[in-house]
Amino acid sequence: EDKVVQSPLSLVVHEGDTVTLNCSYEVTNFRSLLWYKQEKKAPTFLFMLTSSGIEKKSGRLSSILDKKELFSILNITATQTGDSAVYLCAGRSGGSNYKLTFGKGTLLTVNP
Amino acid sequence: DAGVTQSPTHLIKTRGQHVTLRCSPISGHKSVSWYQQVLGQGPQFIFQYYEKEERGRGNFPDRFSARQFPNYSSELNVNALLLGDSALYLCASSTGQGGNQPQHFGDGTRLSIL
Repeated sequence: EDKVVQSPLSLVVHEGDTVTLNCSYEVTNFRSLLWYKQEKKAPTFLFMLTSSGIEKKSGRLSSILDKKELFSILNITATQTGDSAVYLCAGRSGGSNYKLTFGKGTLLTVNP
Repeated sequence: DAGVTQSPTHLIKTRGQHVTLRCSPISGHKSVSWYQQVLGQGPQFIFQYYEKEERGRGNFPDRFSARQFPNYSSELNVNALLLGDSALYLCASSTGQGGNQPQHFGDGTRLSIL
């Protein structure tokens, strides 16, 4: 059965801190690793990673995938209160079932 | 452009009833997936539809069914509702079936079973 594990489950930091969120996965016919940010409702797409070792960046957020060790990290630098959210990691399988398997998420709280 | 839209936003039902949830994908997206998210957990995959055919199914009982229409919108049906079906039901769309396009989510339907 496919499995995605995120750590830590929750994290409290002060504005300006840098955080690293972790995601390990075991996904059959692995195709890609996706990161989402969920505030109140819809998970908002952040990154999709398919190749090992290539960092993707968007402003203060960046992510990288290690397909050999089966994990990914999401970094957020100079955190702001608006970064407070649940960050979800998902592995996407291929073959006949292109489902996303999600982890439980990391609840990030950024205090002023 | 409009994102993924879901209706209704909230729904209250009693045990044993049935429910239909609706989803309109982003314009141009042909694949729709459904997920169930209970409090404190990540979304769990229920179904994927592409070009009106079921292309994937998660570990949910036969009480859960879905379909996709010619305009690519989709319905999720749940029969004989149980208390444990209370959750946020999310719909996601993507351009194709394959694993190289991100899925974009709607705001979900919050279903409460009394």
